Amino acid sequence: EVQLVESGGGLVQPGGSLRLSCAASGFTFSNNWMHWVRQGPGKGLVWVSRIDSDASTTRYADSVKGRFTIFRDNAKNTLYLQMNSLRAEDTAVYYCARAGEGGTAYTFDIWGQGTMVTVSS
Amino acid sequence: QSVLTQPPSVSGAPGQRVTISCTGSSSNIGAGYDVHWYQQLPGTAPKLLIFANSNRPSGVPDRFSGSKSATSASLAITGLQAGDEADYYCQSYDSSLSWVFGGGTKLTVL
Repeated sequence: EVQLVESGGGLVQPGGSLRLSCAASGFTFSNNWMHWVRQGPGKGLVWVSRIDSDASTTRYADSVKGRFTIFRDNAKNTLYLQMNSLRAEDTAVYYCARAGEGGTAYTFDIWGQGTMVTVSS
Repeated sequence: QSVLTQPPSVSGAPGQRVTISCTGSSSNIGAGYDVHWYQQLPGTAPKLLIFANSNRPSGVPDRFSGSKSATSASLAITGLQAGDEADYYCQSYDSSLSWVFGGGTKLTVL
């Protein structure tokens, strides 16, 4: 079964750091671009970051650029998001999502269950 | 403020047909980038519903269909069922090198 399982969320103070992980299984992880997408409480989906299959290229939303770092370990089939200088507005459920292949490369075809990040004092 | 614009809510009775619009601009949908749709049932993660404007992943009923023209796209749901009650999001790619979503539409089955 193709699966993504996030972990690492929790409560952190403003200005603090947190690292999220996403364990992939059921597919050849090193073949796919991977993304992080977040959803604030009662709000819509917002794309956060993308990394390509061999980690040579990354992209970030302007709202997190310079604060968040996406990286991956293909040997461990794991995607990460290092979040520094966290702000209250970063409070959200963070989903990892797999990019499709070929003609569906710009979709998010598999999603994890999400991990909640709360930034509050 | 989302880059793609969707109506906040739509509703319909069981068995009816509803449509959800998604309006973009010349830097995303109008630039030729595909539109994709996701269904998010209450308390769950989003699920890919339609990809590349009008294609259904395996397992998605043919009651769901998508279309695209110029700078907009639409999702149509026919034969509405109680289980279709969910939030629906459109998504595309933008020339600013970012992936963009609509603000989401809450479907209520009356």
